[in-house]
Amino acid sequence: KAGVTQTPRYLIKTRGQQVTLSCSPISGHRSVSWYQQTPGQGLQFLFEYFSETQRNKGNFPGRFSGRQFSNSRSEMNVSTLELGDSALYLCASSLHPSETGAYEQYFGPGTRLTVT
Amino acid sequence: AQSVTQPDIHITVSEGASLELRCNYSYGATPYLFWYVQSPGQGLQLLLKYFSGDTLVQGIKGFEAEFKRSQSSFNLRKPSVHWSDAAEYFCAVGGGGSQGNLIFGKGTKLSVKP
Repeated sequence: KAGVTQTPRYLIKTRGQQVTLSCSPISGHRSVSWYQQTPGQGLQFLFEYFSETQRNKGNFPGRFSGRQFSNSRSEMNVSTLELGDSALYLCASSLHPSETGAYEQYFGPGTRLTVT
Repeated sequence: AQSVTQPDIHITVSEGASLELRCNYSYGATPYLFWYVQSPGQGLQLLLKYFSGDTLVQGIKGFEAEFKRSQSSFNLRKPSVHWSDAAEYFCAVGGGGSQGNLIFGKGTKLSVKP
């Protein structure tokens, strides 16, 4: 079974621009979560989607948004980019906990975003 | 507050030596515990998980972890380290019930001496 895929893998943007990152979950997984990883803050939760609904959101400004499509693929968008948004953005997918007991998350390789 | 502490930022062990990476957590509900490994430039790979039952869990690549509720710990162990184990290791808690998010520790970077 194919793993979680994320596109693009690398991205360079300029301050003030916006960016959209894409995530395709493992087949059959309907929960998708997004995380930001930086050397200073570590891994921080952005949001989680299940069945096209945002179920949980981390402590990030409204410039960060996401959505999920009917095929469980997800996108996240960052508007008005700031230098501090430079990070590795990781997507994780999982089955619903009713099937496994908890959200057992499988991560993609990430998208490395550099803001200049 | 919910949190995960990995006290060791960087550990160096000799190849063939045993390894123990420490993890302490603070979580208000039943803890679901995970260990992930990340190689440079890569995503996170799930090593093992603890949901309930036997407190000693086995994972991939010869790793195991022991859940100790009384100590709020979930330490990762490996009896004999290989050079390919050099990576960063993250402990995480959460993911239960309606909370689809994990809380991660800051990670422990493992270096392996030949």
